[in-house]
Amino acid sequence: GQNIDQPTEMTATEGAIVQINCTYQTSGFNGLFWYQQHAGEAPTFLSYNVLDGLEEKGRFSSFLSRSKGYSYLLLKELQMKDSASYLCAVRSSGGGADGLTFGKGTHLIIQP
Amino acid sequence: DTAVSQTPKYLVTQMGNDKSIKCEQNLGHDTMYWYKQDSKKFLKIMFSYNNKELIINETVPNRFSPKSPDKAHLNLHINSLELGDSAVYFCASSQGSGPGEQYFGPGTRLTVT
Repeated sequence: GQNIDQPTEMTATEGAIVQINCTYQTSGFNGLFWYQQHAGEAPTFLSYNVLDGLEEKGRFSSFLSRSKGYSYLLLKELQMKDSASYLCAVRSSGGGADGLTFGKGTHLIIQP
Repeated sequence: DTAVSQTPKYLVTQMGNDKSIKCEQNLGHDTMYWYKQDSKKFLKIMFSYNNKELIINETVPNRFSPKSPDKAHLNLHINSLELGDSAVYFCASSQGSGPGEQYFGPGTRLTVT
C-alpha cells in the first residue's frame, strides 16, 4: 500500500526558516516531489529528489533519505507569499505512466 | 500560451446528469493524468494515459471514463453524476523521460446538486 505522512499545519514568521517533513511507505519508489498549492489554484512543481541528499533551488531545498523513507522541504527567508499548502508526493513505478501518490498536504501560515 | 488548460472552470449540475471536462496541453508531453481533489484538499490520482495505455486507479467508479482523441488531449466523461462527485478535478501532463514532473491545469470545480 501507499502511505505518505506530513504535518497538517505549520506556522512560521516572515524572514525565518521552516522545515516541512514527509515520511512515506510505498510499494515502490521512483522519485519524490514537492508541490506548492495556493488556495484556489493548481499545484505547482517545486522540487524533485530520486537520490539521497539535498537539492537546492534558490530559497527552497529538498532532502531525501530513501533508507528512512523520509524527506523534508526547507524554506528560507520566508515571505508572506509562501503561505500555501505544500504537498509531498511519491512516484512509485519505473515509468512516467503512473501518477503520483500525494500526502494530504501541509498548510503553512506565515505571520508578519 | 497556457501550458495545460481545462474547460470549464466551474460546472454546476444535477444528480444523474452526464458531463464532460476537457483538457489540453501544448507542452508536447507524452503522458496525461486526471486527479480529484476533495473538500479536504486531498489530491488523488484517477487515471494516467501514455501512448494509448490507460492506467486506472482501482478505486475510481466506472462512471468515470477518460477519452483521448490525440496526444495533446485527455477529456474526462462522467455518467450519472452523484453528490459525492463534487470536487475539483485537475488535469496534468508530464514527459516520460527525465524527472517527469507534472504540470497541472487550473482545475474544474464540479458541484453536483
